[in-house]
Amino acid sequence: NAGVTQTPKFQVLKTGQSMTLQCAQDMNHEYMSWYRQDPGMGLRLIHYSVGAGITDQGEVPNGYNVSRSTTEDFPLRLLSAAPSQTSVYFCASSRGGRDGYTFGSGTRLTVV
Amino acid sequence: SQELEQSPQSLIVQEGKNLTINCTSSKTLYGLYWYKQKYGEGLIFLMMLQKGGEEKSHEKITAKLDEKKQQSSLHITASQPSHAGIYLCGADRTPTYKYIFGTGTRLKVLA
Repeated sequence: NAGVTQTPKFQVLKTGQSMTLQCAQDMNHEYMSWYRQDPGMGLRLIHYSVGAGITDQGEVPNGYNVSRSTTEDFPLRLLSAAPSQTSVYFCASSRGGRDGYTFGSGTRLTVV
Repeated sequence: SQELEQSPQSLIVQEGKNLTINCTSSKTLYGLYWYKQKYGEGLIFLMMLQKGGEEKSHEKITAKLDEKKQQSSLHITASQPSHAGIYLCGADRTPTYKYIFGTGTRLKVLA
């Protein structure tokens, strides 16, 4: 199994540009989440989903949109990139219960 | 401030020494999860604690949950360089299904 696949691994954007970070899982997990990791801040939840067609906001949702049209895919859209969105982004999935989350390898995004 | 606070923020120990990392929640804990992150990589799930007093082990790593204190501790016995990385606690915020993380503890083990 591939697990959780994130693309791209690295990205540089100019301020004001938009882009989509891709996330796909092949484990038939219902729960999926997007996090950003900044130095000294741990992981902060951006958006999450408990199943296809169901999404909700996390701790830091502003400037990001998500959709969940299938169980497998959970893309994260940056609407108008800002330097404050420079971060490492992680996608994760879980089947819930006592299982932990399986993480992707991350996308390192720089906004100049 | 974050709902999950970890201490210490960073730790440097000599190989072979024992160490403890703490995670304290400002809200009721329904489940507490521990993860390890190697530098520049994604997180790896270590273990999950649900009941007060529960204790679990994964190789030389032991975690306990104190439900009354809303706190969990992660203890590493006889640390090795392979234990180096960032340790994060995570919590399930039932019934919202939000899954949040602590601030992280950066561990360095000197050979």
